[in-house]
Amino acid sequence: DAKTTQPNSMESNEEEPVHLPCNHSTISGTDYIHWYRQLPSQGPEYVIHGLTSNVNNRMASLAIAEDRKSSTLILHRATLRDAAVYYCILRALYGNKLVFGAGTILRVKS
Amino acid sequence: DTGVSQDPRHKITKRGQNVTFRCDPISEHNRLYWYRQTLGQGPEFLTYFQNEAQLEKSRLLSDRFSAERPKGSFSTLEIQRTEQGDSAMYLCASSLAYRDLREQYFGPGTRLTVT
Repeated sequence: DAKTTQPNSMESNEEEPVHLPCNHSTISGTDYIHWYRQLPSQGPEYVIHGLTSNVNNRMASLAIAEDRKSSTLILHRATLRDAAVYYCILRALYGNKLVFGAGTILRVKS
Repeated sequence: DTGVSQDPRHKITKRGQNVTFRCDPISEHNRLYWYRQTLGQGPEFLTYFQNEAQLEKSRLLSDRFSAERPKGSFSTLEIQRTEQGDSAMYLCASSLAYRDLREQYFGPGTRLTVT
């Protein structure tokens, strides 16, 4: 399974944008980039995924580098409810399991 | 609420006892996954089912662990002769098995404490 590297923790102010980076230099051409987050005392929650193009949904945006060796999850306006562990995961085209790393702990200050 | 449900939410057991957890996936989802998460770590894959067939098992799933999904709906995870190292959160997830619709939806987990 291809590996991802994320900062251990980040801090943001409420109402400001947050950019969560992820490096995945060994990504293969058919690996999808997935982001999940885990709020305290809950199971992980799907956030967004992409292959090559940038993606937007109601929760976040995903910016993928042209060489696909890195990506950034963007929360446009952080709220206290966004405080969670964010996981960047590479999933093979026909892969089934998710391989989680340690993720990035996002703290949001009011 | 039609999300993934797990029962029980918490289980405390003594070393050597057997425990069984249940997972009810989202009703139209044909894939069901089990993961284990210890404190401060991300979830680790244990096994997954497509309908009633168990298609992949992790090396983490020792012979004390067994999972079933008898009618392709709910699933059970049994741990026999529990050890203190089994203390963890056990997470269940479900998904649809289509190429671009494979987001996994997780339940709240069962927290196991082995004393």
